[in-house]
Amino acid sequence: SAVISQKPSRDICQRGTSLTIQCQVDSQVTMMFWYRQQPGQSLTLIATANQGSEATYESGFVIDKFPISRPNLTFSTLTVSNMSPEDSSIYLCSVPRGRGQVEQFFGPGTRLTVL
Amino acid sequence: QKEVEQDPGPLSVPEGAIVSLNCTYSNSAFQYFMWYRQYSRKGPELLMYTYSSGNKEDGRFTAQVDKSSKYISLFIRDSQPSDSATYLCAMSANRNNDMRFGAGTRLTVKP
Repeated sequence: SAVISQKPSRDICQRGTSLTIQCQVDSQVTMMFWYRQQPGQSLTLIATANQGSEATYESGFVIDKFPISRPNLTFSTLTVSNMSPEDSSIYLCSVPRGRGQVEQFFGPGTRLTVL
Repeated sequence: QKEVEQDPGPLSVPEGAIVSLNCTYSNSAFQYFMWYRQYSRKGPELLMYTYSSGNKEDGRFTAQVDKSSKYISLFIRDSQPSDSATYLCAMSANRNNDMRFGAGTRLTVKP
């Protein structure tokens, strides 16, 4: 199984600022995913980040608000821009269990609180 | 109507009890079904994976899928306090990793 780490593990930020979350995987993967988990709600996919191409965003999420970088096959960043209290959530990255496999492995998450 | 419905609980049972966790869904195209366990302040951990209808057993855990009823279940036998966590169901129609998650059921197993 892939080992995934995220930084920071948590942060408290002021309204209007931006935070960049890092996701590091211990093996090379083509696809990486970014999710948001709001309290009491299901995981919601923000975007899919493929190395070498632009990220694909889900309905309701835009690149200006959640820019993503994918510089290589083991690393990705998600930035939460111009934050508001509504952005307070847990942000998770994940990777497929294997090529062509549906199951995903998740990182430990970044708990973000926006004041 | 949400694509995936899951009772958020909380569910509290005594140690040793059989736990039944369930999800219903509306998209008949779903054919890949998963259960994740999420401990507090941790990421979701894959617990069970099932393709199409049927049962799958792994130790104390049994996953059931009834596609005709659009209903999936996770049974935990001889529940332990270490099973206390939030259980998320997830499902997908294809291998493009386009998964839909339930909201999660919070389970507490009391010693």
